[in-house]
Amino acid sequence: DVKVTQSSRYLVKRTGEKVFLECVQDMDHENMFWYRQDPGLGLRLIYFSYDVKMKEKGDIPEGYSVSREKKERFSLILESASTNQTSMYLCASSLRGVGSSGANVLTFGAGSRLTVL
Amino acid sequence: GENVEQHPSTLSVQEGDSAVIKCTYSDSASNYFPWYKQELGKRPQLIIDIRSNVGEKKDQRIAVTLNKTAKHFSLHITETQPEDSAVYFCAASPLGFQKLVFGTGTRLLVSP
Repeated sequence: DVKVTQSSRYLVKRTGEKVFLECVQDMDHENMFWYRQDPGLGLRLIYFSYDVKMKEKGDIPEGYSVSREKKERFSLILESASTNQTSMYLCASSLRGVGSSGANVLTFGAGSRLTVL
Repeated sequence: GENVEQHPSTLSVQEGDSAVIKCTYSDSASNYFPWYKQELGKRPQLIIDIRSNVGEKKDQRIAVTLNKTAKHFSLHITETQPEDSAVYFCAASPLGFQKLVFGTGTRLLVSP
């Protein structure tokens, strides 16, 4: 019954490595999001995409990039990982504009916990 | 841009008591306000939402109230149970916009 799948639950990387976090949804949703979750800071939006090959910066895009080549897949890329990017990363998707028709709930993945040493 | 503040950061109650979590938002254009619950080790899930054309919405033991003039909204849980223990996030978004801005979360602990 899993609808948003994040490929890695736990990753350990070294400073300076390139990191790919993959997210796939099987609900034919238009929108996909990457959030970062840190204790005391809540869920902060990194990037989102409302269509294939389209992307918009969220509130904390620095140090990250994204790719959406297919509707169902949204990738988060850390070009050169740093220790301050150690965090839980949550992918989410929604059918279309948030709240626009009452059925545009965010469905989250299980999360990817990244540790950068 | 939108900024959402949430209080308290932690809340401990006895089973059967009521719990109230409060949020304020800054963007007067926001008119969609959902609440998400995240149980330990699990993903956040929507539990209730409200739009600006209503002042209150209820679903069994949970309710949300909205005061657009004051730009604040609250989650009320009555007759709390241990399974209500979780982190609760409020969020705000202008209708039709693509993204949600979340609060910092409230850890609710319900003791038997």
